[in-house]
Amino acid sequence: GENVEQHPSTLSVQEGDSAVIKCTYSDSASNYFPWYKQELGKGPQLIIDIRSNVGEKKDQRIAVTLNKTAKHFSLHITETQPEDSAVYFCAASPMDSSYKLIFGSGTRLLVRP
Amino acid sequence: NAGVTQTPKFQVLKTGQSMTLQCAQDMNHEYMSWYRQDPGMGLRLIHYSVGAGITDQGEVPNGYNVSRSTTEDFPLRLLSAAPSQTSVYFCASSYRRASGDPDTQYFGPGTRLTVL
Repeated sequence: GENVEQHPSTLSVQEGDSAVIKCTYSDSASNYFPWYKQELGKGPQLIIDIRSNVGEKKDQRIAVTLNKTAKHFSLHITETQPEDSAVYFCAASPMDSSYKLIFGSGTRLLVRP
Repeated sequence: NAGVTQTPKFQVLKTGQSMTLQCAQDMNHEYMSWYRQDPGMGLRLIHYSVGAGITDQGEVPNGYNVSRSTTEDFPLRLLSAAPSQTSVYFCASSYRRASGDPDTQYFGPGTRLTVL
């Protein structure tokens, strides 16, 4: 079955700097890769996702890149702000069964003012 | 729309007790899933449903039962609670896109369960 590894487990950056979180996956059948942000005491919220027919997707300060050959995908946050501080999870699944996501173990991002 | 709602928010059980975690969505989503989240780990899939009357097992189904008698509700039952089931439980739902693929999952706020 699918296995998703996520690094780093914690990341501390200065406000205004960029943050990068990386994930690798094992199942070549996976072609849907969402990223979720989880704030303390809340459920995960989707921030961006990518499907395997594209290599990169941007939404304002957030971007995700996908390398299907190497089976890895990354989240990039530019111009970080204190409100970006949260736990971020990557996940993977085949597109036709994205209700069965396999999650990475999470990255705790701290943005220092 | 209220989105995905879960009750209760917190629950403490004794070993061997049973209980049902409630999940409801008002978005007419076909797909619903239950995950558990343990410290330092990502979410793990317990059970899922692709429509009313249809359920199946995920990664960690042991000790849990589900049913889906309506589109809106997807309760998770613990028949005999064990300390290993202490966790935060999240329900999620998604709809079927025009392409036929499921869309993004939307998560509820979670239920924090402690089993003593």
